[in-house]
Amino acid sequence: QVQVQESGPGLVKPSGTLSLTCTVSGDAITSNVWWSWIRQPPGKGLEWLGEIYHGGSANYSPSLRSRVTMSLDKSKNQFSLKLNSVTAADTAVYYCAREIQAAFDPWGQGILVSVSS
Amino acid sequence: EIVLTQSPATLSLSPGERATLSCRASQSVGDYLAWYQQKPGQAPRLLIYDISRRATDIAARFSGSGSGTDFTLTISSLEPEDFAVYYCQQRRNWVTFGGGTKVEIK
Repeated sequence: QVQVQESGPGLVKPSGTLSLTCTVSGDAITSNVWWSWIRQPPGKGLEWLGEIYHGGSANYSPSLRSRVTMSLDKSKNQFSLKLNSVTAADTAVYYCAREIQAAFDPWGQGILVSVSS
Repeated sequence: EIVLTQSPATLSLSPGERATLSCRASQSVGDYLAWYQQKPGQAPRLLIYDISRRATDIAARFSGSGSGTDFTLTISSLEPEDFAVYYCQQRRNWVTFGGGTKVEIK
C-alpha cells in the first residue's frame, strides 16, 4: 500500500522560504508516475502547486512558477517543495500526493504551514 | 487555465436520498476529470478518475458521468458517512480543482 507523508516546519516568517519534504513508502520514487504538491488555505479550496518526475523534470503552476522549486532524493525516496518570498496568503495545509491516471492518490495527511512573524 | 465550476455550492439532503453534483469546465477536459471527497480535518480521497472509473475500494453507490465540459457525480443513496465536501479536478491543461460542493444533512 502506497503512503506519502509530509514533514517540515509549521511556521515560516514573512519573506522567508517554506520548505517541505514528502516521504514515500510502498512505491519507489523512481516509478513511472509524477509526484505533486497541493495546498488548501484554511476554509478554502484546493490549489495545485506543481509536480516532479524521477528523471528530474518538473512542472509548476503558472501562478507560482517564479517562487516554486521541487526536487527529489532517490536515496531517501523523498521529494521536496520550496516556496520562497512567502506571505500570509501562503498559509495553508500543504499536501503531497502521487499522480496516477491523471488523478491524485494517495494523499498525505497534510501539514499546516502558517506564515507569521 | 481551465476553470471548473461546481454546483450547487451546498446540497441539503437526507440519508437514503440521491445526490447529483455538477462540474462544468470552461473548455473541454477530455477524459481527464476526477472527483474527490473531503471530510473535516482529513485529506481529500479519490473517488472517481477518468470521468467514470471508481478508485480502489470506493462503494458502487458513487458514479461519475459526462463528457467534454459537463460532468456529474452521483451518489445513488446517501449513507451517513457521505456527508462531506466534494471536489472535481481536471488534468487536461495543467491541474485545476473546482470550488467544491458541500453535501450536508437536511
